[in-house]
Amino acid sequence: DVKVTQSSRYLVKRTGEKVFLECVQDMDHENMFWYRQDPGLGLRLIYFSYDVKMKEKGDIPEGYSVSREKKERFSLILESASTNQTSMYLCASSFGTTYNEQFFGPGTRLTVL
Amino acid sequence: AQSVTQLDSQVPVFEEAPVELRCNYSSSVSVYLFWYVQYPNQGLQLLLKYLSGSTLVKGINGFEAEFNKSQTSFHLRKPSVHISDTAEYFCAVSLYNQGGKLIFGQGTELSVKP
Repeated sequence: DVKVTQSSRYLVKRTGEKVFLECVQDMDHENMFWYRQDPGLGLRLIYFSYDVKMKEKGDIPEGYSVSREKKERFSLILESASTNQTSMYLCASSFGTTYNEQFFGPGTRLTVL
Repeated sequence: AQSVTQLDSQVPVFEEAPVELRCNYSSSVSVYLFWYVQYPNQGLQLLLKYLSGSTLVKGINGFEAEFNKSQTSFHLRKPSVHISDTAEYFCAVSLYNQGGKLIFGQGTELSVKP
């Protein structure tokens, strides 16, 4: 079974802190994605990566950055957390091209105080 | 720009009743279509997908969806729901030659009552 794990299920941080969210997949997938999920807005793509050291902006990249130093690991970084970044963050991975399904991690619920 | 609209934010239904969750999309290019389900406190998992061929697609847990190109719709149906189907359902499109990026709808909360 494909497994996508995220470092924390729940995280509480203060405004201005630097926050790291980690995601690891164990199926050698090329593609990895970070989404945020908010009620009534569905999932919105923050960043994605097609390969090690490759990254592309999604629809809402402002205030975020990412790092992919190894194929299995994709990190989301909030350089200076703000209250409007309180949300559920979901990581996903997929193999190959457009029509393959994405496999999701359980999510990290981040609260910024 | 491409977009996905799920027409109902919440759908309450009694156990063993049929259900339809509606999804419309807007795109000027070819798309692949997906339905994902999110059970409480879990990530998303794939229910079914339409790539090409037969417009009626069967998925897991007795769900099916029909692709209608003329109406740009991909509605999800189940003839008889169970309490365990209570979850949030997301419709998504993947654009041809866009490397697997998904555009999600807003989600529909299905609540099955005894």
